[in-house]
Amino acid sequence: QSALTQPPSASGSPGQSVTISCTGTSSDVGGHNFVSWYQQHPGKAPKLMIYEVSKRPSGVPDRFSGSKSGNTASLTVSGLQAEDEADYYCNSYAGSNNWVFGGGTKLTVL
Amino acid sequence: EVQLVESGGGLVQPGGSLRLSCAASGFTFSNYWMTWVRQAPGKGLEWVANINRHESEKYYVDSVRGRFTISRDNAKNSLYLQMNSLRAEDTAVYYCARHAAWAFDIWGQGTMVTVSS
Repeated sequence: QSALTQPPSASGSPGQSVTISCTGTSSDVGGHNFVSWYQQHPGKAPKLMIYEVSKRPSGVPDRFSGSKSGNTASLTVSGLQAEDEADYYCNSYAGSNNWVFGGGTKLTVL
Repeated sequence: EVQLVESGGGLVQPGGSLRLSCAASGFTFSNYWMTWVRQAPGKGLEWVANINRHESEKYYVDSVRGRFTISRDNAKNSLYLQMNSLRAEDTAVYYCARHAAWAFDIWGQGTMVTVSS
């Protein structure tokens, strides 16, 4: 049950696009289409942004999108806004009813 | 309003026990798998345990298996986490979360557990 690999940080200017990667193995990210992404502002609970690789819950702006290729999933935030500055975590089903998170990426809006 | 509210956190000595609770409202609690996720200070999220709708299936991360027990009471719309033999490395904010569509779609505000002498 090793954590998924995310870059510690990412940044972009308002209006730009930024992509955060999440690399796992064939046992988790590569083996299941059950990757989700969470946004967490300081001192707050995580919020679901993307589920099943690319689906958006109701209320999440369409500026947020998800994709997957092989063992790597990605979250893209388009048209960056100041309120997008937060920590982002990926999560994947890892089989046998186990779940694994990424280490998190701190997104800075310059 | 769909809501999860955790309680029961606090300061406990190494080797001690603590029971966390999570009160659900605004949805049919018995229809959902539920999960506990924790976050050590300044660290990332870690899935801890989950439980199916009827308590017949329970799963744990390796580091807590045998020490923690997840349970639920559908009549009381409540989820629990009994934590025994606590260690310093169990210090974290513990969140309860609802399972839906292979993700955790609703989260509580968290309750802090500190294991220290």
